[in-house]
Amino acid sequence: EDQVTQSPEALRLQEGESSSLNCSYTVSGLRGLFWYRQDPGKGPEFLFTLYSAGEEKEKERLKATLTKKESFLHITAPKPEDSATYLCAVQGGEYGNKLVFGAGTILRVKS
Amino acid sequence: ETGVTQTPRHLVMGMTNKKSLKCEQHLGHNAMYWYKQSAKKPLELMFVYNFKEQTENNSVPSRFSPECPNSSHLFLHLHTLQPEDSALYLCASSQDGRAPETQYFGPGTRLLVL
Repeated sequence: EDQVTQSPEALRLQEGESSSLNCSYTVSGLRGLFWYRQDPGKGPEFLFTLYSAGEEKEKERLKATLTKKESFLHITAPKPEDSATYLCAVQGGEYGNKLVFGAGTILRVKS
Repeated sequence: ETGVTQTPRHLVMGMTNKKSLKCEQHLGHNAMYWYKQSAKKPLELMFVYNFKEQTENNSVPSRFSPECPNSSHLFLHLHTLQPEDSALYLCASSQDGRAPETQYFGPGTRLLVL
């Protein structure tokens, strides 16, 4: 069965303390892997799409990478405003065109 | 208005009420989606519409009834809901509903069923 798993469930960082969030998947025939950011009480905000292993994308303090089994969202020198829930989602395999989400990682950055 | 908008943002209803959620996208997309987000659970896809036609019903109870009059508007009609239906309901849109394709989300409607 295809699955999407995010870890850790929650992460607390000090401002400036770099770290990574993980999204592992078992989808065969991945068509795309998506990262979203979600603030409390709001809808997910699109960050990145990755299509194939080896691909990397960057935006400000965030960098997303993709292998054949997992994706990482690297956060460099985070600031308190980076605090949010980060969601990973995949398309492909038995899901077809559906976007299937992981449970998310709650990130808190303290000043 | 830009992006995807949803109204109302908050809704409280009794189990015998009938209400509707509205979604409008200003992105020129042809596919629209309803998702349910419950506390500590992944987003769950409910319905998919491509070019106004329903292409996916993810085993959603009949007390949820979607309507898509055109490619820009999507409604979710609610009746005789249960307390466990309390959640954040999110609308999304994408270009044509084909993978791989980015979906863009609205702000959601926070629903509380008493």
